[in-house]
Amino acid sequence: GAGVSQTPSNKVTEKGKYVELRCDPISGHTALYWYRQSLGQGPEFLIYFQGTGAADDSGLPNDRFFAVRPEGSVSTLKIQRTERGDSAVYLCASSPRSGRGETQYFGPGTRLLVL
Amino acid sequence: DQQVKQNSPSLSVQEGRISILNCDYTNSMFDYFLWYKKYPAEGPTFLISISSIKDKNEDGRFTVFLNKSAKHLSLHIVPSQPGDSAVYFCAASAGRGSQGNLIFGKGTKLSVKP
Repeated sequence: GAGVSQTPSNKVTEKGKYVELRCDPISGHTALYWYRQSLGQGPEFLIYFQGTGAADDSGLPNDRFFAVRPEGSVSTLKIQRTERGDSAVYLCASSPRSGRGETQYFGPGTRLLVL
Repeated sequence: DQQVKQNSPSLSVQEGRISILNCDYTNSMFDYFLWYKKYPAEGPTFLISISSIKDKNEDGRFTVFLNKSAKHLSLHIVPSQPGDSAVYFCAASAGRGSQGNLIFGKGTKLSVKP
């Protein structure tokens, strides 16, 4: 009965480095979403997976960002050549199925700080 | 350009009174709306939702009202409790064919004082 978990909870890195953020969705949830929340803002959509495939990656800001979900469960968000502007809380959410009307359950987020 | 707007960054209410949080949207394709509550260092927690075919949905102390013509919705909490102190996000989902991606407002920080 565990909820969505995200690791690490905090990540500090230097500009230009590569980082990976992990999300473990609720067991059995087929839909998985990544959002980014900057200071003073609401969460902003990044990418959505239905099963193993990225069904919509229109929210990824540029090609430095990439996400995978190879077995349809755990997902990893990868950021290359990090920039200070990437500093934010990265939130993962899952839902039993895709589509509007499905409640999305959020993890606690990973706080990324790029120095 | 913000499609979901929460124009009040903060709200302070006395315990036992009503809290009213407001949200406006610009996209007429939105047809499903949600409110999430967020405590510090935690992820958002689903609170209540409403479909555009309804104008009211109630769940215990929480009621959401939707005025489609005004593109406005509000969350009422009655009676307010100190444990309700949190940031409240309004979110919207687009219409037919939507994958469920949510578009959030910037949030309103509610403080309920004992």
